[in-house]
Amino acid sequence: GAVVSQHPSRVICKSGTSVKIECRSLDFQATTMFWYRQFPKKSLMLMATSNEGSKATYEQGVEKDKFLINHASLTLSTLTVTSAHPEDSSFYICSARYDRGFYEQYFGPGTRLTVT
Amino acid sequence: ELKVEQNPLFLSMQEGKNYTIYCNYSTTSDRLYWYRQDPGKSLESLFVLLSNGAVKQEGRLMASLDTKARLSTLHITAAVHDLSATYFCAVHGSGTASKLTFGTGTRLQVTL
Repeated sequence: GAVVSQHPSRVICKSGTSVKIECRSLDFQATTMFWYRQFPKKSLMLMATSNEGSKATYEQGVEKDKFLINHASLTLSTLTVTSAHPEDSSFYICSARYDRGFYEQYFGPGTRLTVT
Repeated sequence: ELKVEQNPLFLSMQEGKNYTIYCNYSTTSDRLYWYRQDPGKSLESLFVLLSNGAVKQEGRLMASLDTKARLSTLHITAAVHDLSATYFCAVHGSGTASKLTFGTGTRLQVTL
């Protein structure tokens, strides 16, 4: 089956620094990738949708300058949290989709970000 | 805008009992997913339901879809402790390139 990886799985950073999270589709070409954010005991909230080679589409209320998304290739998307603050601490999950046939989404294992 | 509601939000049940989780959505959809999430983990896909009247079963879990009522159910039969997790339904908007909208989640706790 399709596998999506995320790196790192956990990261702790200090306030004011930036952190990059990678999302890779390991055995298929991901035409579209999605980034979700999940607060404790809450549902997944879609942050943005990215297509390879074009700018990401952000959901309402998500700061595009704070959450930089780059979908540089068909197997890699990155989310950079810039000038992180404690309120950015969250569980970030990416998913990847191959836009043919059934258009199935495959989820990564998630990245736990803690900003101190 | 597609809205997805689940109930209950929290469910504590004894082993051996049966229960149903409900997922209502507000607009037309071409498919519905059920996922399981364990604490600190990502999503595990359980079922995808594609058409009205679709029913899928895996072990003690059975999911069904009524597109006319815009309702899906996840039925748990003779619950066991290993089923303790949070369950999410997610609705795919109409059109193959649509995005998923997640329900609020149901945290299931199965007690011995």
